[in-house]
Amino acid sequence: KQEVTQIPAALSVPEGENLVLNCSFTDSAIYNLQWFRQDPGKGLTSLLLIQSSQREQTSGRLNASLDKSSGRSTLYIAASQPGDSATYLCAVTGANSKLTFGKGITLSVRP
Amino acid sequence: NAGVTQTPKFRVLKTGQSMTLLCAQDMNHEYMYWYRQDPGMGLRLIHYSVGEGTTAKGEVPDGYNVSRLKKQNFLLGLESAAPSQTSVYFCASRTARGTDSANTEAFFGQGTRLTVV
Repeated sequence: KQEVTQIPAALSVPEGENLVLNCSFTDSAIYNLQWFRQDPGKGLTSLLLIQSSQREQTSGRLNASLDKSSGRSTLYIAASQPGDSATYLCAVTGANSKLTFGKGITLSVRP
Repeated sequence: NAGVTQTPKFRVLKTGQSMTLLCAQDMNHEYMYWYRQDPGMGLRLIHYSVGEGTTAKGEVPDGYNVSRLKKQNFLLGLESAAPSQTSVYFCASRTARGTDSANTEAFFGQGTRLTVV
């Protein structure tokens, strides 16, 4: 059974700091890994998708990396802003087509 | 461009009542999923479907039934609602390009907030 872990559950940083959010998964037989953002009371917004054959993807100030063999992914946020405050979730798509989520990291960026 | 639409957005049920949540996607996606999100538990998969007429159990299927009679719609039913089913329900869909699922981004609806009293 695939398990996805995100630690810590919450993180508070001052504005302008570069930060890394971690995601680990137990079964390396994945098709892809996706990072989402969720604002309070809202749905999930896709940030980045990394295919299993890729090492990283970039979008603006966001960079996601994937090390499939070690079961790890990181989401790097450069020059954090208060508007980045949200919960960040990672999810992996397995060979059985299931999409399995971590519990998320709640990020607070202090002005 | 609607994407994934969930109906209703909010609902309050009494214990024992039944209801159906509708998920509709206009992207011609093959795969559809129903999740529930609870504080401290993350998103847990209830049921999913890999194509029209097919469904499969996820992590927490008990108390729920699903149907996928049309490719664009995935229905989640609660036959006899219980307070433990109070949650936020999310639907998602993604395409399957042949046998290569690597480049298939999942899209989510805005959620249905269900309270069972």
